[in-house]
Amino acid sequence: DVKVTQSSRYLVKRTGEKVFLECVQDMDHENMFWYRQDPGLGLRLIYFSYDVKMKEKGDIPEGYSVSREKKERFSLILESASTNQTSMYLCASSPGTGETQYFGPGTRLLVL
Amino acid sequence: SQKIEQNSEALNIQEGKTATLTCNYTNYSPAYLQWYRQDPGRGPVFLLLIRENEKEKRKERLKVTFDTTLKQSLFHITASQPADSATYLCALRAFSSASKIIFGSGTRLSIRP
Repeated sequence: DVKVTQSSRYLVKRTGEKVFLECVQDMDHENMFWYRQDPGLGLRLIYFSYDVKMKEKGDIPEGYSVSREKKERFSLILESASTNQTSMYLCASSPGTGETQYFGPGTRLLVL
Repeated sequence: SQKIEQNSEALNIQEGKTATLTCNYTNYSPAYLQWYRQDPGRGPVFLLLIRENEKEKRKERLKVTFDTTLKQSLFHITASQPADSATYLCALRAFSSASKIIFGSGTRLSIRP
């Protein structure tokens, strides 16, 4: 079974802090994704990566950056957290472009 | 503008009945459409995929239909059970965007005993 793990289930940070969310997958998938999920807005793509050190902006990249130094690990960085970044963050991986995505359990981030 | 919409935010039905969820899209040429299940506090889990040249797909008590003329997919759960209660998301991959899947906002399904 594919396993996607995220470093924290719950996180509380203060406005202006730098926040790192880590995601690791164990199935040698090429593609990895970061989404945020908010009530009524569904899943919105922040960034995705189709190879090590490669990244592409999704629909809402502002205020976020990503890092993929190793194939199995994809990090989401909030350079200076703001209250409107309070959300559920979901990481996913897939073996090829546009294929079935396998999700992690999510990180619920609260920015105070 | 491009949109993918799940018409009902919430659906409540009696155990044993068939639950039918709707997913509509506009201004997309879908290569395929997927359905996921999401339980509270968890990530979505893939259920079924249907390609643009397929009319229907089944898996146990689940059935998905795809009508590219109506620009609509229907997701059915037959003989529904309380354990089927969850949020169901449809997701579309367009021909024009090989690397991205677009998700609907989901329908929260509640099955009452």
